[in-house]
Amino acid sequence: DAGVTQSPTHLIKTRGQQVTLRCSPKSGHDTVSWYQQALGQGPQFIFQYYEEEERQRGNFPDRFSGHQFPNYSSELNVNALLLGDSALYLCASSLVEGATPNYGYTFGSGTRLTVV
Amino acid sequence: RKEVEQDPGPFNVPEGATVAFNCTYSNSASQSFFWYRQDCRKEPKLLMSVYSSGNEDGRFTAQLNRASQYISLLIRDSKLSDSATYLCVVDGNYQLIWGAGTKLIIKP
Repeated sequence: DAGVTQSPTHLIKTRGQQVTLRCSPKSGHDTVSWYQQALGQGPQFIFQYYEEEERQRGNFPDRFSGHQFPNYSSELNVNALLLGDSALYLCASSLVEGATPNYGYTFGSGTRLTVV
Repeated sequence: RKEVEQDPGPFNVPEGATVAFNCTYSNSASQSFFWYRQDCRKEPKLLMSVYSSGNEDGRFTAQLNRASQYISLLIRDSKLSDSATYLCVVDGNYQLIWGAGTKLIIKP
């Protein structure tokens, strides 16, 4: 049973560029949440997708956008990259909207983005 | 004030010692609490949930004090493999709210 899969694992981008990160949820899960973890910090919630809609959003600018597809996979897009966007981007999937770690909230291994 | 606060450490502890971490949270309405472990450059992994009655899992004990809004984690008989960053997490309605983590280094 495949867990949460994220791609790519690493990438380097230049300031001002755009990037797309991908996440395939664990089999049977329908909700995807994205987090940004800067070096030395805890993860920060970006947004959550359920039924192909953005349901909740954290304190991130509109440069951060996403999408969820009918197969529940998701993309995170970041436009006009800044040096401060360098971070580990984590995707978590769950069975139902608002599920907690007690009920199968599962993280992928993340995408490490470096902006130069 | 941050929603979840932890001492960043690092805690340098000899193998076999007992070490305790504390974490405070600001939202008194929070219902669910967790400790995660994160190894260097890896994703965080759930270590244990935290209940008001306290819970134990082998060498690890977690406690919740709702009145004082703090959460603790105790590690007994520490092993070299316990070296990691320990993150305190509060369930915040559709999202997890994380502390910045406490780095633990176990020395032989």
